[in-house]
Amino acid sequence: ETGVTQTPRHLVMGMTNKKSLKCEQHLGHNAMYWYKQSAKKPLELMFVYNFKEQTENNSVPSRFSPECPNSSHLFLHLHTLQPEDSALYLCASSQDLYQSHNSPLHFGNGTRLTVT
Amino acid sequence: GENVEQHPSTLSVQEGDSAVIKCTYSDSASNYFPWYKQELGKRPQLIIDIRSNVGEKKDQRIAVTLNKTAKHFSLHITETQPEDSAVYFCAASQNSGNTPLVFGKGTRLSVIA
Repeated sequence: ETGVTQTPRHLVMGMTNKKSLKCEQHLGHNAMYWYKQSAKKPLELMFVYNFKEQTENNSVPSRFSPECPNSSHLFLHLHTLQPEDSALYLCASSQDLYQSHNSPLHFGNGTRLTVT
Repeated sequence: GENVEQHPSTLSVQEGDSAVIKCTYSDSASNYFPWYKQELGKRPQLIIDIRSNVGEKKDQRIAVTLNKTAKHFSLHITETQPEDSAVYFCAASQNSGNTPLVFGKGTRLSVIA
């Protein structure tokens, strides 16, 4: 079973709703990430946290707001989303910031988000 | 920044045949190349990786090759089985851990029994 747990698995929300995605890792890793996976597109890195400090924001619209209260938990707060934001949102973690042979990326099962 | 191209986008093979997926990258400083497998409805999982000081690496039925001069790397799956059916992603970054992974668009492999 994965050491990275995401909830909920599925989420349907209207454009005026506010919701949050949750991610928890039990691997003792120091870095956590949010990725967006859309059909026929590469995995898009959204946010990076290292020791609960944000180190990267890849020009993500402000309607996505991350929160990392500690090294084990990561949230993605959503508000006033657009239909094109519908996608699979994957959380991941790694021992060190970014990836290497000694610090590979571990993904959660993702949250399938549908914006209506 | 790094750009990773992956081909083909879909691939169908008969069970027992081999499958090859190819990727090219743009940044000559990249030296870490992992491959992830994502089964339907599941998370991407690392299946094999290669560093640029190695030209080829094998793990049972899976092998990766790297040509640094041409800036391309490939995944080879031999004796394919139905459970190999999945989306495979290549990625590239600098092994120093200073840059994030850049992923290809993925290849949907279907192994036909």
